[in-house]
Amino acid sequence: KNQVEQSPQSLIILEGKNCTLQCNYTVSPFSNLRWYKQDTGRGPVSLTIMTFSENTKSNGRYTATLDADTKQSSLHITASQLSDSASYICVVALGGSYIPTFGRGTSLIVHP
Amino acid sequence: KAGVTQTPRYLIKTRGQQVTLSCSPISGHRSVSWYQQTPGQGLQFLFEYFSETQRNKGNFPGRFSGRQFSNSRSEMNVSTLELGDSALYLCASRIYGTGDTGELFFGEGSRLTVL
Repeated sequence: KNQVEQSPQSLIILEGKNCTLQCNYTVSPFSNLRWYKQDTGRGPVSLTIMTFSENTKSNGRYTATLDADTKQSSLHITASQLSDSASYICVVALGGSYIPTFGRGTSLIVHP
Repeated sequence: KAGVTQTPRYLIKTRGQQVTLSCSPISGHRSVSWYQQTPGQGLQFLFEYFSETQRNKGNFPGRFSGRQFSNSRSEMNVSTLELGDSALYLCASRIYGTGDTGELFFGEGSRLTVL
């Protein structure tokens, strides 16, 4: 069964600190992996996308890594800001159809 | 460029009723997909439409249906509503074809409450 597992389920950090979110998947065949940010009451917004051959992708203070051999990805947030408070969702797309499988998300709260 | 537009944003229904939700994709995007988001299950894929045809379907009962019009706008319908259908329903569009990376562009969602 295709699954995406994220950890931790929730995380509280202080403004200015760094944090790393984890994503493990069993989706096969694999097309790509995306990280989305979802603010409360809003739709998810794409942060990064990585295909099988990519190891690292950055988008400002967000850096995603992918290890296709171990089927693991991480999202590193540098110098967190209050506006980073949101749910971060890992999404793995099925090869050929792009049908997405979603993780349950990590709820991040950044305190001043 | 306007984003994905979903209507209505909020609605309340009672068990047994039916509901229709609407989605207008980003101009030029030809695929529309629908998702259910609940605290317990997270985001789950319902179905995807392209060229007015359902291309892929998730694991949901037949009470959940959809359609796509020639202008790519889409509607989804849930019949005989159950309490468990209370959720945020998200629509997403993607290019489909040349330049498509599979990136989904989500709307703000329709929050359905079933009483």
